[in-house]
Amino acid sequence: DIQMTQSPSSLSASVGDRVTITCRASQSISNYLNWYQQKPGKAPKFLIYAASSLQSGVPSRFSGSGSGTDFTLTISSLQPEDFAIYYCQQGYSIPRTFGQGTKVEIK
Amino acid sequence: QVQLVESGGGVVQPGRSLRLSCTTSGFTFRNNAMHWVRQAPGKGLEWVAVISYDGSNKYYADSVKGRFVISRDNSKSTLNLQMDSLRAEDTALYYCARDPDIAAAGIGSAFDIWGQGTMVTVSS
Repeated sequence: DIQMTQSPSSLSASVGDRVTITCRASQSISNYLNWYQQKPGKAPKFLIYAASSLQSGVPSRFSGSGSGTDFTLTISSLQPEDFAIYYCQQGYSIPRTFGQGTKVEIK
Repeated sequence: QVQLVESGGGVVQPGRSLRLSCTTSGFTFRNNAMHWVRQAPGKGLEWVAVISYDGSNKYYADSVKGRFVISRDNSKSTLNLQMDSLRAEDTALYYCARDPDIAAAGIGSAFDIWGQGTMVTVSS
């Protein structure tokens, strides 16, 4: 199974800050990496696919990059509605696996 | 609009069974693979199972293999999860999720639409 490891597990940031979350795969997954956002009591929301492609309707302040084993999700200017937990997920092989999540909190 | 609505959750004793359903609308159900993903209270996301667009291919997480069966009825646009021999560690919110691809093991798989989930609690 491919293990996905996110860092940090949590971070505190202020509105307007640039935030970067890292996701590392235990083996190469090419660019088959997706990102999700989950707010309390809500289902996850699909943000980014294929490492860097923005899902329709997702604000352009979100961006993704990386390939192979190392990936990043960047929020260029954090907005109040961005405080949530973010998960990466590999779509390279079965079983599909998620990172443990990164909680973005208000400083 | 595209909608996934899960049902069938509840409280069940260890060793018993439960059947979850996911009723879909707003898209052509037979054109997508479908997944179940679960989330234990306060924990992260865990993929459970996937079924191809036509039901011919199915895959499971090791944690549920041999106990859970995923199925679909394309005539009713419905996804199901039969859960047998339930354990305390199966306690979670169960989401159904759509895959943009038709294949169960397609490379590049993702979960583009999610339901709101149905809670399963396994407790004596």
